Amino acid sequence: EIVMTQSPATLSVSPGERATLSCRASQSIGTKLFWYQQIPGQSPRLLIYDASTRATGIPARFSGSGSGTEFSLTISSLQSEDFAVYHCQQYNDWPRTFGQGTKVDIK
Amino acid sequence: EVLLVESGGGLVQPGGSLRLSCAASGFSFRSFGMHWVRQAPGKGLEWTSYVTESGSTTYYADSVKGRFTISRDNAKNSLNLQMNSLRADDTAVYFCVRGGTEGHWGQGTLVIVSS
Repeated sequence: EIVMTQSPATLSVSPGERATLSCRASQSIGTKLFWYQQIPGQSPRLLIYDASTRATGIPARFSGSGSGTEFSLTISSLQSEDFAVYHCQQYNDWPRTFGQGTKVDIK
Repeated sequence: EVLLVESGGGLVQPGGSLRLSCAASGFSFRSFGMHWVRQAPGKGLEWTSYVTESGSTTYYADSVKGRFTISRDNAKNSLNLQMNSLRADDTAVYFCVRGGTEGHWGQGTLVIVSS
């Protein structure tokens, strides 16, 4: 099973600042990676697929990069609605696996 | 509009069974594989199972293999999850998720396993 490790567990950021979240795979997954945003009480919302392609309707301040085992999600200038939990998921192999999540909260 | 509506959650005793359903609309259901993903209270997301478009092939997480069965009825646009031998650590919100890269999730249904 591919283990996905996200860091940090919590990231405290001021509105308007840049945030960079990391996701590491235990073996190469190419670019078969999703990033999701989840606001408490809601279903996850897809932000990025194929490691770097923004999903429909996702603002340009969200960007994804990486390949192989190292990936990152960058939010260029945090807005109030971006304070949430972010999850990465690999879809290169079965079973599909998620990271444990990174909570972005207000500094 | 793609719509996925889960149902069937509730309180069940350890060792019991429950059957979840997901009603799909707004797209060609038979053209997409489907997943079940769960989230325990206050925890991260856990993928549990997947069924291919035709229903002929399934995949499971080790944590549910042998206890859960995913199936689909393309005539009824319905996805199912039969859960047997339920344990306390199966307590979670269960989401129905369309396969592919467009990220369509249902709102989830809560399963509580407790005596």
